[in-house]
Amino acid sequence: RKEVEQDPGPFNVPEGATVAFNCTYSNSASQSFFWYRQDCRKEPKLLMSVYSSGNEDGRFTAQLNRASQYISLLIRDSKLSDSATYLCVVNAGTGGFKTIFGAGTRLFVKA
Amino acid sequence: GAVVSQHPSRVICKSGTSVKIECRSLDFQATTMFWYRQFPKQSLMLMATSNEGSKATYEQGVEKDKFLINHASLTLSTLTVTSAHPEDSSFYICSAREANTDTQYFGPGTRLTVL
Repeated sequence: RKEVEQDPGPFNVPEGATVAFNCTYSNSASQSFFWYRQDCRKEPKLLMSVYSSGNEDGRFTAQLNRASQYISLLIRDSKLSDSATYLCVVNAGTGGFKTIFGAGTRLFVKA
Repeated sequence: GAVVSQHPSRVICKSGTSVKIECRSLDFQATTMFWYRQFPKQSLMLMATSNEGSKATYEQGVEKDKFLINHASLTLSTLTVTSAHPEDSSFYICSAREANTDTQYFGPGTRLTVL
């Protein structure tokens, strides 16, 4: 089993749609969680951190369920510019950080 | 967010030569820097973790004598690909983590092509 698993994608959605990405992680000692987006041939950019209480940033909402070891990202009112690969990232390990990246979920938003 | 620069952004070299890539944190001190490699349509693969002033920790399967990492200061880490071969052609990305935080900030990446 992979340490961080994401929906395989790709997701093809029309503009204005709501889309949700899921991510599960295997290490219960994981400490912090993030969503990054990566555009084609570019570096990953931090989208948002994920907190147990859930957090929202504009059209983006992230949720963390530690009991189920599950992270989600919800994008409302999708824009063409949201097209990218979304990476679930987990910092795990004791005594130091080990960052694990999910394989990413590709999103295509179409007009 | 914090800014991380990488240089060069693109390099083309002949097989057998060595290539040095620099990663700098511009507005914060990075006690830890990470080097990743990404092949087309694949996910990021961590190559090594470097802590300022100490030897880098390499991931399984990454040759430490081929990929030399130096983290001499809190704002600079370098990756040297020695005796590069065509199979080393890839997108190399560094990231830096600020002291006492969990967040990594990525450099813009270096696209290496070995002929």
